[in-house]
Amino acid sequence: EDKVVQSPLSLVVHEGDTVTLNCSYEVTNFRSLLWYKQEKKAPTFLFMLTSSGIEKKSGRLSSILDKKELFSILNITATQTGDSAIYLCAVTHSNSGYALNFGKGTSLLVTP
Amino acid sequence: DAGVIQSPRHEVTEMGQEVTLRCKPISGHDYLFWYRQTMMRGLELLIYFNNNVPIDDSGMPEDRFSAKMPNASFSTLKIQPSEPRDSAVYFCASRRTGPFQETQYFGPGTRLLVL
Repeated sequence: EDKVVQSPLSLVVHEGDTVTLNCSYEVTNFRSLLWYKQEKKAPTFLFMLTSSGIEKKSGRLSSILDKKELFSILNITATQTGDSAIYLCAVTHSNSGYALNFGKGTSLLVTP
Repeated sequence: DAGVIQSPRHEVTEMGQEVTLRCKPISGHDYLFWYRQTMMRGLELLIYFNNNVPIDDSGMPEDRFSAKMPNASFSTLKIQPSEPRDSAVYFCASRRTGPFQETQYFGPGTRLLVL
């Protein structure tokens, strides 16, 4: 059975801190790993990773995948209160129509 | 471009009643997914369609749940009869076929409360 495990489950930091969120997975026929941000509404797409070692970056957010060790990290630098959200990691495998198999998420709270 | 549209946004019903959730995917997307989100279990896939055909419904919890996609722009998820444990947020998502097109776009969700 596929497994996606995110850590920590929750995190409280001060504005300006840097945070690292972790996602480990066990999935047959791995295809891709995706990160989503969920505030009080629908998940919104952040990154999709398919290759090991290639960093994806968008502003203060970045992510990288390690297919040998089966994990990914999401970094947020210089955090802002607007970064407060649940961050979801999901994996796809190639024989499922790329349906998303989600972890439980990391709840991040950035305090002023 | 309109995103994925879901209705209703909120539904409160009593145990035993029929509930119908609706979804309009993004135009041109040929995959449609239904997910359910609860505190205990997180986001779980219920069923997905490709070109209006159900492909995998192994995530549908019981026979009380059914889903249809009569055409490329409309899908329904029905619960009959509803039970309190069905209370959750139900999301619809869509994507298009193509290389590196795994990104799914989510609708705003329907928050269902069964009393």
